Amino acid sequence: DIQMTQSPSSLSASVGDRVTITCRASQSIRTYVNWYQQKPGKAPKLLIYSAYSLQSGVPSRFSGSGSGTEFALTIDSLEPEDFATYYCQQGTGTPPWSFGQGTKVDIK
Amino acid sequence: QVQMVQSGSDVRKPGASVKVSCKPSGYPFSAYNIHWVRQAPGQGLEWMGSINPDNSDTKYAQKFLGRVTMTVDTSISTIYMELSGLTSDDSAVYYCARDRVHSNYNLPGCAYWGQGTLVTVSS
Repeated sequence: DIQMTQSPSSLSASVGDRVTITCRASQSIRTYVNWYQQKPGKAPKLLIYSAYSLQSGVPSRFSGSGSGTEFALTIDSLEPEDFATYYCQQGTGTPPWSFGQGTKVDIK
Repeated sequence: QVQMVQSGSDVRKPGASVKVSCKPSGYPFSAYNIHWVRQAPGQGLEWMGSINPDNSDTKYAQKFLGRVTMTVDTSISTIYMELSGLTSDDSAVYYCARDRVHSNYNLPGCAYWGQGTLVTVSS
């Protein structure tokens, strides 16, 4: 099974900061990674699919990068509504489609 | 617009089973795979399995093999997830979610989510 490991598990940042969250796959998954945002008490929201493609309606300050085993989600100029927990997920054709353990972004 | 409506909260005793329903609307019912993801209190997301509503092909996480059953009732366009042998560790919010692309592409990515169903296991 493919394991997804995120870092850091949490970070504190200020509005306007640039934030980067990383995700490492236990084996190469080419660009088959998805990124989600989840706010407390809400269902997750798909932000990025296939490593760098922005889901419809997601602000352009979110971007994804990487391939193989190393991936990153970057938020340019953090907005107040971006404080949330972010998850990566392996999106190859082979299950289990596991998630990373999550990265909580809170206010410094 | 696409909507995923799940059944309401449930309380079960240890050893019992729970069956959660998910009723999508706003798109061709059989065209997209449906995933079930759960989240224990204060914990991360855990993928449980998925089902293709067109042919009822299922894929389950190893952890849940033998305890989970995902089914489809095409007559009422509803998907079910049943989990048996409940313990307190199964207390969680259970989500159904629809893939972003048609099931033919086998590119999982949960673009539409239900509101979640809280299952509490308590004696």
